[in-house]
Amino acid sequence: EAAVTQSPRSKVAVTGGKVTLSCHQTNNHDYMYWYRQDTGHGLRLIHYSYVADSTEKGDIPDGYKASRPSQENFSLILELASLSQTAVYFCASSATGQDTQYFGPGTRLLVL
Amino acid sequence: QQQVRQSPQSLTVWEGETAILNCSYEDSTFDYFPWYWQFPRESPALLIAIRPVSNKKEDGRFTIFFNKREKKLSLHITDSQPGDSATYFCAARPTGNTGKLIFGLGTTLQVQP
Repeated sequence: EAAVTQSPRSKVAVTGGKVTLSCHQTNNHDYMYWYRQDTGHGLRLIHYSYVADSTEKGDIPDGYKASRPSQENFSLILELASLSQTAVYFCASSATGQDTQYFGPGTRLLVL
Repeated sequence: QQQVRQSPQSLTVWEGETAILNCSYEDSTFDYFPWYWQFPRESPALLIAIRPVSNKKEDGRFTIFFNKREKKLSLHITDSQPGDSATYFCAARPTGNTGKLIFGLGTTLQVQP
C-alpha cells in the first residue's frame, strides 16, 4: 500500500504570511494531488502533478502555488495566507494506469 | 456548480439495516466512479468503485448500483454495523489521463447499535 506522509500535521499561520505544506510519497507514483477539505465542501482539488518539475491547476488554484521538485515530493505554497485558507489539506498520490488515490494523513491549517 | 451531487447529507440507520447513499452526476463522459469513506479525523480511503460498463459492483456488504441513462448511482450497505459510521464521498473521474477526481460533498452515515 502507498505511503504518503505530510508535514507539518498542523500549523497556525498569520494572515499575510507564507506557508509551505509538504508531501512525500515512497511508492514511485507518478501522480500527486493537493486537496483542501472544508466542512460542507467535501474535497476540492487545488493542484496536481503527473511528472516531476511540472504542475497543473486543479479546480480551486487561486491563492496557491505548487512545486514538484522530484517524483517523491510535492509542496503546496501559500504566498500570502488568508483567513479563508483555514482548512484541512490532504495530499494524495496514484500510479499511472491505476485508479486508486492514496491519501496522506492531512495537515490542519489555521490562519489567524 | 457541483458536478457530483450526493444525498442525503446525513443518514442514520439502526444496526442490521440497509443504508442507501445516493449520487448523481452531470457529465456523461465521466469514466470512473469511486466511493471513498472517511472516519473522523482520518484521511479518505477507497471503499469501492465502478466503471460505466457495469451496472453493479459488489464487495461484501457494499454494493454500487449504477444507472448510466439517468446518471445516477447508489451505494447500498447491507447489515450496517456501527463501525460503518463514517462520511462517504462519491467521486467521478473526467475522461482523460489526468487522474483527477471530482468529489461530492459527502453523506455522513451514523449506524446506531
